[in-house]
Amino acid sequence: QKEVEQNSGPLSVPEGAIASLNCTYSDRGSQSFFWYRQYSGKSPELIMFIYSNGDKEDGRFTAQLNKASQYVSLLIRDSQPSDSATYLCAVATNAGKSTFGDGTTLTVKP
Amino acid sequence: EAQVTQNPRYLITVTGKKLTVTCSQNMNHEYMSWYRQDPGLGLRQIYYSMNVEVTDKGDVPEGYKVSRKEKRNFPLILESPSPNQTSLYFCASRPLQFYGYTFGSGTRLTVV
Repeated sequence: QKEVEQNSGPLSVPEGAIASLNCTYSDRGSQSFFWYRQYSGKSPELIMFIYSNGDKEDGRFTAQLNKASQYVSLLIRDSQPSDSATYLCAVATNAGKSTFGDGTTLTVKP
Repeated sequence: EAQVTQNPRYLITVTGKKLTVTCSQNMNHEYMSWYRQDPGLGLRQIYYSMNVEVTDKGDVPEGYKVSRKEKRNFPLILESPSPNQTSLYFCASRPLQFYGYTFGSGTRLTVV
């Protein structure tokens, strides 16, 4: 079992829809949770982070965390073609060790 | 502009020929790290450094060396590259107390 697992893609949604990206992790000592966006041929870019259970909103992006279920998700509202990318989930322990998921590729169709 | 700069962006080399990939950051970050990204395997940490002269192995350190003589620089050294080190490499940095990274643009290495 991988330490960080993301829902297998690719995920395709129409423009304007909500894209839902999911991630589960195995280390209950994990404390910090991150979402990175990686365009094809580019480097990962940090777009969201969350530390506490519940929701955290930033513009069209909402990160959700449920530590009891060891589950973190990213919702993208009003999806745009420019959101088409691979989204990486990363989980960090208090010691600062980060583990990345393999990523979910999202395509937003006009 | 706050950034992590890697060089070169692309590199083709032959087996056994020593090479160095440079990494420099201008954000005064204490923590720097090297990752490799391979299809189906995701991002895997090679080495990291929490400060000058302090380095430690990540998950896949074999065949690599690093040094941290200055806070801003963290070069990755492949003393005898092999074809299984063909990969996309990223340098990344962050402050000690925040665990989100800023990544460099990446180095695509091919070893033939």
